[in-house]
Amino acid sequence: EIVMTQSPVALSVSPGERVTLSCRASQSVKSYLVWYQQKRGQAPRLLIYGASTRATGVPVRFSGSGSGTDFTLTISSLQPEDFAVYYCQQHDIWPLTFGGGTKVEIK
Amino acid sequence: EVQLLESGGDLVQPGGSLRLSCAASGFIFNSYAMSWVRQAPEKGLEWVSTLTGSGYSTYYADSVTGRFTISRDNSKNTLYLQMNNLRAEDTAVYYCAKGGSFQSSYYMDVWGNGTTVTVSS
Repeated sequence: EIVMTQSPVALSVSPGERVTLSCRASQSVKSYLVWYQQKRGQAPRLLIYGASTRATGVPVRFSGSGSGTDFTLTISSLQPEDFAVYYCQQHDIWPLTFGGGTKVEIK
Repeated sequence: EVQLLESGGDLVQPGGSLRLSCAASGFIFNSYAMSWVRQAPEKGLEWVSTLTGSGYSTYYADSVTGRFTISRDNSKNTLYLQMNNLRAEDTAVYYCAKGGSFQSSYYMDVWGNGTTVTVSS
């Protein structure tokens, strides 16, 4: 099983700041990596697929990068509606696995 | 607009059974893989099972293999999850999710709002 490790587990950020979230795979998943956003009490929402392609309707302040084992989700200027938990998921090898999530909180 | 509506969640005793349903609309149902993902209270996301669009291939997490069965009725645009021999650790919100259109397609590009399963005596 591929283990997905996200860091940090949580971070406190002020609106307008740049945020960088990390996701590391225990072995290469090529670019078969997606990011989701989950707000409290809501279902997850797809943000990024193919490691770097924004899903439909996702603001341009969200960007993804990386391949192989190391991936990054960047929010260029955090907006109030971006406070949420972010998960990465690999879909290269069964079983599908998620990272433990990074909680982005208001500072 | 793509919509997924789960139903069937309930309170059930350990060892009991439950069948979840997910009614899909707004897309060509039999063209996409469909998955179930769960989230225990205050925990992260856990993939449970995936079924290809044709229905020929199924995949399960080790934690549910032999107890859960995923299926679909393409004539009714509905996905199912039959859950048997339920355990306390199966307590979670269960999300139905549509597969994507890129690469392997085994990621989730649209999610339902979830249905709650509680296993307790």
